Amino acid sequence: DQQVKQNSPSLSVQEGRISILNCDYTNSMFDYFLWYKKYPAEGPTFLISISSIKDKNEDGRFTVFLNKSAKHLSLHIVPSQPGDSAVYFCAASALTGANNLFFGTGTRLTVIP
Amino acid sequence: DTGVSQNPRHKITKRGQNVTFRCDPISEHNRLYWYRQTLGQGPEFLTYFQNEAQLEKSRLLSDRFSAERPKGSFSTLEIQRTEQGDSAMYLCASSLIGTGTYEQYFGPGTRLTVT
Repeated sequence: DQQVKQNSPSLSVQEGRISILNCDYTNSMFDYFLWYKKYPAEGPTFLISISSIKDKNEDGRFTVFLNKSAKHLSLHIVPSQPGDSAVYFCAASALTGANNLFFGTGTRLTVIP
Repeated sequence: DTGVSQNPRHKITKRGQNVTFRCDPISEHNRLYWYRQTLGQGPEFLTYFQNEAQLEKSRLLSDRFSAERPKGSFSTLEIQRTEQGDSAMYLCASSLIGTGTYEQYFGPGTRLTVT
């Protein structure tokens, strides 16, 4: 039972353009959402997060949008750079209790120079 | 701040052997999590500690798995009588609860191969 879904396994974008990565969730108890970036042979690196009381959070080139009614979030990267090429994981948690993360299956982003 | 460290980075073992992994969290973090990641999947929660107390275990954590966090510092994850299905990347993460932030910071992982 996959509670967090990333339906696009891969995405290719030209350098300088916008990258949009999408994520859907099913559990309405989730109230905190995160994006992680992962390079091969390394652990996930935290990128950006958003609480369910907000609909947008921005940090430099990275912006996360949350649409609670649609149970959908997206990560925008502008402008995309070749160093952004990695696997991106969406994660969600409920802030009560364990606060453990539920991850999607990841989207491999390739930024073409 | 040296980040989360894990040892060993790789472990190859034969089926039926016991293995132990170590995680050193970020020093001031009070929560420590263990996750497992298999090919093509995102990390899946195994268990977590708040300080030295193990507060929750996933149903993925069979009786062959045991985790400890003595004195609320480093943690160990032991797998007894390993099976080929245990082959995976084992990830440790830590976080600081009680300050209004909820991000978990991951170590580089231990890749286990059971032959």
